[in-house]
Amino acid sequence: EVQLVESGGGLVQPGGSLRLSCAASGFTFSEYWMNWVRQDPGKGLVWVSRIESDESRTVYADSVKGRFTISRDNAKSTLFLQMNSLRAEDTAVYYCARGRGNAFGVWGQGTMVTVSS
Amino acid sequence: DIVVTQSPDSLAVSLGERATINCKSSQSVLYSANNKNYIAWYQQKPGQAPKLLIFWASTRESGVPDRFSGSGSGTDFTLTISSLQAEDVAVYYCQQHYGPPLTFGGGTKVQIK
Repeated sequence: EVQLVESGGGLVQPGGSLRLSCAASGFTFSEYWMNWVRQDPGKGLVWVSRIESDESRTVYADSVKGRFTISRDNAKSTLFLQMNSLRAEDTAVYYCARGRGNAFGVWGQGTMVTVSS
Repeated sequence: DIVVTQSPDSLAVSLGERATINCKSSQSVLYSANNKNYIAWYQQKPGQAPKLLIFWASTRESGVPDRFSGSGSGTDFTLTISSLQAEDVAVYYCQQHYGPPLTFGGGTKVQIK
């Protein structure tokens, strides 16, 4: 069964850092582009970042550029999102999503990040 | 950036009736090299992650019932549920997958009348 399982969310103070992980199983992780997408509570979906299959290229939304870093460990089938200088507006459920080209074919269940003092 | 706008924000349809959701992109998402329109549709039920229904504007993802169909070209697209079932109650999002930044519409909530 194809599965993505996120972890690492929690409560953090403004200006703090958090590292999210997404463990993949049931497919050849190294063959797929991977993404992070977030959803503010009760609101819509916002794409955050993408990393290509061989880790060679990364792309970010302007709202997180310079603060967030996407990476992957193909040997461990794991995707990461290092989030620094967190702001209240980063509060959201963060989903990892397997790319279907630039669409999102498989999603994890999400992990909640709350930025608050 | 390509802005994606959905309408309506919500709609209520009787069981077995047709539901239609519109999506408009601020610029064409037709890729001339392969003549494909880069619009995807997702379904999100309460408490769940989104699920891909359609990509390239009209290609159904594997396992998606054929009552879901997508159409359109250029900047104007439509998701149609031909005969609404109770399990189709959800929020539906369109997304342009033409290129980053990848952007979503604001969502359309579909309910039973």
